Parts: sequence; C-alpha cells; structure tokens
Amino acid sequence: NAGVTQTPKFRVLKTGQSMTLLCAQDMNHEYMYWYRQDPGMGLRLIHYSVGEGTTAKGEVPDGYNVSRLKKQNFLLGLESAAPSQTSVYFCASSFGFINSPLHFGNGTRLTVT
Amino acid sequence: GDSVTQMEGPVTLSEEAFLTINCTYTATGYPSLFWYVQYPGEGLQLLLKATKADDKGSNKGFEATYRKETTSFHLEKGSVQVSDSAVYFCALSDRGASGGSYIPTFGRGTSLIVHP
Repeated sequence: NAGVTQTPKFRVLKTGQSMTLLCAQDMNHEYMYWYRQDPGMGLRLIHYSVGEGTTAKGEVPDGYNVSRLKKQNFLLGLESAAPSQTSVYFCASSFGFINSPLHFGNGTRLTVT
Repeated sequence: GDSVTQMEGPVTLSEEAFLTINCTYTATGYPSLFWYVQYPGEGLQLLLKATKADDKGSNKGFEATYRKETTSFHLEKGSVQVSDSAVYFCALSDRGASGGSYIPTFGRGTSLIVHP
C-alpha cells in the first residue's frame, strides 16, 4: 500500500519551460489537493478536486492547471514556469468527510531559474 | 472565513521538557480539528484529531483537547525527545459559510527544535 506517490521528487526548469507533476493515490480517496509550501507562508492550496472529472481553484491558482481524468491521479501543470513558482509542491488526498484527515505525498522540490 | 492561528516559532526546548504549541481557530460551522507533523524532507502526516467539543486526541505522547468555548486546540507533550524535532501544523475541516466541500484550513506551522 503505497499511499500518495508524487513524481518527480526534484526538478529544475528554466523560465518559460513547462512541466507536469503527477500525483497517484491507491486509497480510493475522492478528494485530491495540490499545495505549495514556501518558507514563512505555510501551506497554500493551489487547486483541488472533489471527484473524478472535477477540479476547483484554491487560494493561489494562477499559473497552474490541473486535471483529474482518473480517480487515482491528479496532475498539476505549469505551462510557462516563472521563478516565483520555485517551491515545494505537495499532493494530498482524503475521503472528503469532515473528519477525514489528509494523506500527503513526500513532495516535489521545483526550482525555476 | 475560517482561519487557524498558531504560535510563531521556532520553539526551542531541551530534551524531557514540557511542550505546548498554541492553536486557536475561527470557523463558520462545527469543525473537526487536526494536528499534523512534518519531519525534514517529508510530507505532512496526521498526528492526532478531535471531532467534537471536549474530545481529546492523543498519539505518540502528544495530546490536544477540543475546547469549543475558547476555540482552541493546543498541542501538549509532557517530555519531548530530540526525535520530536519537526514542524507542527494545526488544521480544521469545516463546510464553511457557502455550505460547500470540506476543504481544510491550515495554520502556518510551528517549528520545534529539541536539543539533547
């Protein structure tokens, strides 16, 4: 039982390049989330999904797109990377009930030069 | 809207000292409350939770009690170890004023450093 798996673990991009971060969960969770973590800022929600085929904007969605074509996968895309997107990105999933805890992946460290 | 406020860190303690990390919240509805821990280089993991007033969540020697009257969920441990050095996040889950999905709200995290 792998839980939440994020790929890749590290990535360096040049400004203007694109990339996709992949998140996979094997717990049959309905809800999936993408967060970014920056020093002194805590966790900020980028986008989330409440079920297969759905997506919604979080607190800081600009510059990112997401897709949830399969229940177990949640993709985060950067179409034209900017240095301000240098961060650690975390994917999480949950059953979506009020008392459901989130299960997190181990993060992707992205540097944009 | 909903919010979670945690004490600023870092909190620096000697081994076997008593730990308290304060957490207060505001919520539209009747939230569930959580503490998560993040060890270096890892994602967050659930430490404990409480779902109704006066509930006490506990795990690995850590405890927190859901205090509705003071809207607080302070994390405590009687004797910390070096291995407890990590970042601790308080969070709540609530439907919010719009009655929509249960999207968690996190505090900014409190770094704990425990010296031998």
